[in-house]
Amino acid sequence: EIVMTQSPATLSVSPGDRATLSCRASQGVSNNLAWYQQKPGQAPRLLIYGASTRATGIPARFSGSGSGTEFTLTISSLQSEDFAVYYCQQYNYWWTFGQGTKVEIK
Amino acid sequence: EVQLVESGGGLIQPGGSLRLSCAASGFTVSSNYMSWVRQAPGKGLEWVSVIYSDGRTYYADSVEGRFSISRDISENTLYLQMNSLRVEDTAVFYCAGDVGGYWGYWGQGTLVTVSS
Repeated sequence: EIVMTQSPATLSVSPGDRATLSCRASQGVSNNLAWYQQKPGQAPRLLIYGASTRATGIPARFSGSGSGTEFTLTISSLQSEDFAVYYCQQYNYWWTFGQGTKVEIK
Repeated sequence: EVQLVESGGGLIQPGGSLRLSCAASGFTVSSNYMSWVRQAPGKGLEWVSVIYSDGRTYYADSVEGRFSISRDISENTLYLQMNSLRVEDTAVFYCAGDVGGYWGYWGQGTLVTVSS
């Protein structure tokens, strides 16, 4: 099983600031990496696939980078609606998720 | 517009059985990979099972032999038959539509609570 590790577990950020979330895979997953956003009581929403491609309708302030084992999700200027939990997921070999990073208001 | 609507969750005793449904519109269940994903209360996401467009099925080790995924082409509906349920199966179950290995479409989820 490919283990995905996200850091930090919680990120406290002020609105308008930049947020940088990290995700590490226990073995290489090429660019088969997706990011999802989940708000309380809601289903996850696809943000990024292919490590860096924004899904339809996702604002340009969300960007993804990385390949192999190290990945980053950056939110350039946090809006109120961006406070949520973010999960990375590898789909190179079956599917596994990171444990999530909660982005909270500082 | 794509809609996936799950149903069938509820409270069930350990050892019991439950069948979840996921009715799809705007998305053809039989032409795409469809998965079930679960989330235990306050926890992260866990892939449970997938059915490929060619009908092959696969399961996470944690549910292998107890859960069965299927679909009804005429109803455009995905199912998850869950037998021998355990307390640790308590979770919100989501169906998800695969759009390229990743999941672009999700239902709203249905809660399964296994408790005596």
